[in-house]
This record gives sequence, C-alpha cells and structure tokens, in this order.
Amino acid sequence: DAKTTQPTSMDCAEGRAANLPCNHSTISGNEYVYWYRQIHSQGPQYIIHGLKNNETNEMASLIITEDRKSSTLILPHATLRDTAVYYCIVRVLSSNDYKLSFGAGTTVTVRA
Amino acid sequence: EAQVTQNPRYLITVTGKKLTVTCSQNMNHEYMSWYRQDPGLGLRQIYYSMNVEVTDKGDVPEGYKVSRKEKRNFPLILESPSPNQTSLYFCASSSLGWKGPYNEQFFGPGTRLTVL
Repeated sequence: DAKTTQPTSMDCAEGRAANLPCNHSTISGNEYVYWYRQIHSQGPQYIIHGLKNNETNEMASLIITEDRKSSTLILPHATLRDTAVYYCIVRVLSSNDYKLSFGAGTTVTVRA
Repeated sequence: EAQVTQNPRYLITVTGKKLTVTCSQNMNHEYMSWYRQDPGLGLRQIYYSMNVEVTDKGDVPEGYKVSRKEKRNFPLILESPSPNQTSLYFCASSSLGWKGPYNEQFFGPGTRLTVL
C-alpha cells in the first residue's frame, strides 16, 4: 500500500471549514484513499473514501487531485466534537487483506 | 444499533496469567480483526479473520491467539501475558463480498490492558 504524509497537527476555529491535506505521491491506480478519525482513545471511525472523483457525505468532503498524488479532507463546519486525530490511508482494491495501516495522522484541535 | 463490543474495557493483570478479551459484532460481518495501539507506533494489526474458522496473522501476532468459531465473535487470547503487551486493543469488523474494500471498518471502543 502507498505511504501517506500528513501534517502533525493543525488548529481550526469552531464553525469554520477545516481542510486536512494528505500527500500520497506513490499511489497506484487501484488504490483508494480512505479517511478515518480517532477521538481521544476511542475506536477509529470511518469518515469517507474515494478513488479519483470528489466525494461528499454527511460528515465531510474529499477532494482528490487529478493526478491523485494528494487529497484534502474538508470538514465544512468544524465543531468542538471534531477534535480528533485524522488518518489518511491508502489501500489497494480487491485485496485479500483488509488491514488498515494507520500512520501518525493529523491531530486536529478545534477551538471555540 | 450496529456495533462492535469489547469486554472488558479495562483490565489490569499480572505476568503469566492467561486472559481473554472478547469481541462481538451484530452486523453479520465476515471480516474481523484485532489491532493494538501504542504511543508513537500507531495501530498495528495482530490477527484477522476472513470468516468462521479462517484466521491469519497480522503484523504483530507473537504472544497472541485468536479463534473464530462463530461469525459474530472473535476473542483475543493472551496465554501468558507479559508487560510488553500492555496496550490499547481494538477489535474491528467489516463485510466482504461485492462490497469488498469499499466498505468501512467498524471499530470497538477499545480495551486498555495493563500487564504488571
């Protein structure tokens, strides 16, 4: 699976959009981009995933660059409850192993 | 409510005393997995199971055993716990088949284990 690079931490103001970048320059054509988050030692929670098109759900939007070498997770209106560690994960399609390889992630702190 | 449950949530034990951490899911998922999380090392997979009676090693299987006798349950067994197994443990599950890797993995709330 391709390696990802994320900033160690970032702050965001409550009510504003939070834009979380992820670099995955070695991604291959059959690899998806997944985002999970972990709120203070709770179990990780799935947010969104995508292949090449931009995706949106009730939690967030995922913007993937045309060359697929990077992506941005957007939390449109951050709240204090969005304070968490956010993990960008790239994994291959049709794998027999569904392991998720979590890196260090980005610690996002939403401030009032 | 769809969920993955783990028990116990907290456990303090002593070296060598066998213990089992249970994991159960109510979503009829084929795939289940155990991870451990340690500061600076992220989450690492211990064992996984693709279905009943099918288990395989993850990245850090030493010192652990698992079984999958029923689809909903995937217990993690530490036959002779040691202090280096002090960690935060997570169980996860996911469906397979045509939904394949598209599907999200659901994680349990975690079990914090301390081995003295």
